[in-house]
Amino acid sequence: GAGVSQTPSNKVTEKGKYVELRCDPISGHTALYWYRQSLGQGPEFLIYFQGTGAADDSGLPNDRFFAVRPEGSVSTLKIQRTERGDSAVYLCASSLMGPWTEYNEQFFGPGTRLTVL
Amino acid sequence: KQEVTQIPAALSVPEGENLVLNCSFTDSAIYNLQWFRQDPGKGLTSLLLIQSSQREQTSGRLNASLDKSSGRSTLYIAASQPGDSATYLCAVRELTGGGNKLTFGTGTQLKVEL
Repeated sequence: GAGVSQTPSNKVTEKGKYVELRCDPISGHTALYWYRQSLGQGPEFLIYFQGTGAADDSGLPNDRFFAVRPEGSVSTLKIQRTERGDSAVYLCASSLMGPWTEYNEQFFGPGTRLTVL
Repeated sequence: KQEVTQIPAALSVPEGENLVLNCSFTDSAIYNLQWFRQDPGKGLTSLLLIQSSQREQTSGRLNASLDKSSGRSTLYIAASQPGDSATYLCAVRELTGGGNKLTFGTGTQLKVEL
């Protein structure tokens, strides 16, 4: 079956602009996660959805970042007033069950490479 | 706050060599530990997942061990091949804070030479 997909694969924008990044999870996966990976670093957690609600948004760096998952499937990460420091690869992952399941495995998409000029 | 460290940061070996990648974490209250592979410009591919109650997992030429009490995991790659060249990341899923997020190390960049 299809894995996690993310669009666009690359996004170049100018400082101050608004961007949206999209994630399509694996069909039937109830949990969805966003991570950000800067060059030479491991991914860092941003936000986690269980169904339609954001269960944990503790990793969002500031209020310019926002994410939605209105129908419990596709999710959009929104970044307002982009800054050069936002440049990174944004990774999305999904898992079949919620957090309180020991055998929860996260499957990652290919990522969106965001470049802010 | 959980911190995950991977040593070495980079490794270059000749083809056929057996090798060990190391991962350590500061908080032993984890659900599981996962090893991933990341190719340049690509996403993450899950290699092995070890539950907190397990000591090791094997898949083909890969073997991962977990010593939760000491906060350590190793990924053993047997008979390395040029196709194994990639960055290897370990990540822990914690019991606290909702048990949902993964905390990653910075990775080991492996190059297997002909």
